[in-house]
Amino acid sequence: DQQVKQNSPSLSVQEGRISILNCDYTNSMFDYFLWYKKYPAEGPTFLISISSIKDKNEDGRFTVFLNKSAKHLSLHIVPSQPGDSAVYFCAAKDGNEKLTFGTGTRLTIIP
Amino acid sequence: DTAVSQTPKYLVTQMGNDKSIKCEQNLGHDTMYWYKQDSKKFLKIMFSYNNKELIINETVPNRFSPKSPDKAHLNLHINSLELGDSAVYFCASSRRRGTGSGGEQFFGPGTRLTVL
Repeated sequence: DQQVKQNSPSLSVQEGRISILNCDYTNSMFDYFLWYKKYPAEGPTFLISISSIKDKNEDGRFTVFLNKSAKHLSLHIVPSQPGDSAVYFCAAKDGNEKLTFGTGTRLTIIP
Repeated sequence: DTAVSQTPKYLVTQMGNDKSIKCEQNLGHDTMYWYKQDSKKFLKIMFSYNNKELIINETVPNRFSPKSPDKAHLNLHINSLELGDSAVYFCASSRRRGTGSGGEQFFGPGTRLTVL
């Protein structure tokens, strides 16, 4: 019973274009949604989060959109850079501070 | 200046052995966590401690026992290791619960455990 799903295991995008990573969830009690980036042999690094009461949060090249009615969120990276190549995890937080992670999407930026 | 550190980074051991993984954070956080990333890359929480008190304990075998000597440290001890315990284990920390933060957790580099 996976409460957070990332249906695309991989994504390739040309450098300079927009990367869009998607995430779906089932539990309407999640209060925050977060995106993490992970390089091989390193721990996940926090990128950006959004409260369940908002629909958009922006930080530099990264924007997260939340559609509560669809239980869907997405991470937009623009413009994409080679250093953005990594695995991106979507995570959802409940009231007990527990994070539930998706299975990740491997993003490859093509120079 | 590492924020969340784990030792060792790699651990290779035989079935049936007992081993420990250490975690330390210098961020002044009150809450610490252990996660397991299995062969399918699925990252799942195992335990959470807040100020040395256990607050999350997922369905984890009793062979796994977290120990928090102080709020900056959360160690993971594993008894009678089994083949299925092979995974990457991540430690993480976050600010105090209920602070209205976005729940950001800061992760260590991971410990790759291989049970032979």
